[in-house]
Amino acid sequence: DTAVSQTPKYLVTQMGNDKSIKCEQNLGHDTMYWYKQDSKKFLKIMFSYNNKELIINETVPNRFSPKSPDKAHLNLHINSLELGDSAVYFCASSHYLAGAYNEQFFGPGTRLTVL
Amino acid sequence: GQQVMQIPQYQHVQEGEDFTTYCNSSTTLSNIQWYKQRPGGHPVFLIQLVKSGEVKKQKRLTFQFGEAKKNSSLHITATQTTDVGTYFCAGKNSGGSNYKLTFGKGTLLTVNP
Repeated sequence: DTAVSQTPKYLVTQMGNDKSIKCEQNLGHDTMYWYKQDSKKFLKIMFSYNNKELIINETVPNRFSPKSPDKAHLNLHINSLELGDSAVYFCASSHYLAGAYNEQFFGPGTRLTVL
Repeated sequence: GQQVMQIPQYQHVQEGEDFTTYCNSSTTLSNIQWYKQRPGGHPVFLIQLVKSGEVKKQKRLTFQFGEAKKNSSLHITATQTTDVGTYFCAGKNSGGSNYKLTFGKGTLLTVNP
């Protein structure tokens, strides 16, 4: 069974369109994340939710809006797509325990190409 | 804000040679994690170091956390072609958010068979 899954795997779209990426985890984790990996492989945190509450909101254009309907799901909606949004978007999850081991499990990624 | 520097950016070795990647943080870390990303794949957790001066081994991989908890290293002995990939360190800022990992830019390792 896939622990962290994302859909779609590939997304090719025109500039100006609106698109969504979905993420689901079946690990029972309480914290989920969105990362952007650019062409130089730099992994940058965008958002994080803990128990459906937004806890990390990095400097990201407000065209990006995350939504967590429940602890197992975290979606990312992007409005008015721009060329610079082309990247691989990774979802990840972890279990938060104060002072304890909390490795992050990553999904397979969504490769977004904006034309 | 917190910065995590990782060097080298690229490393090409002959199979059987050793490899080391280094990670330095601008701030003291509460812990550091290492991930491996195969080409076309996603980051996969390797290990977490928490204690000052900690050393952990996983077969041919040796991980170290500096005494000041501001640097770390990953050393691979006798590389194999299966070691190919990008190795990332990721640190949690001491006193900062327990949720946020700041990733280094990674070291891409290629191995010539």
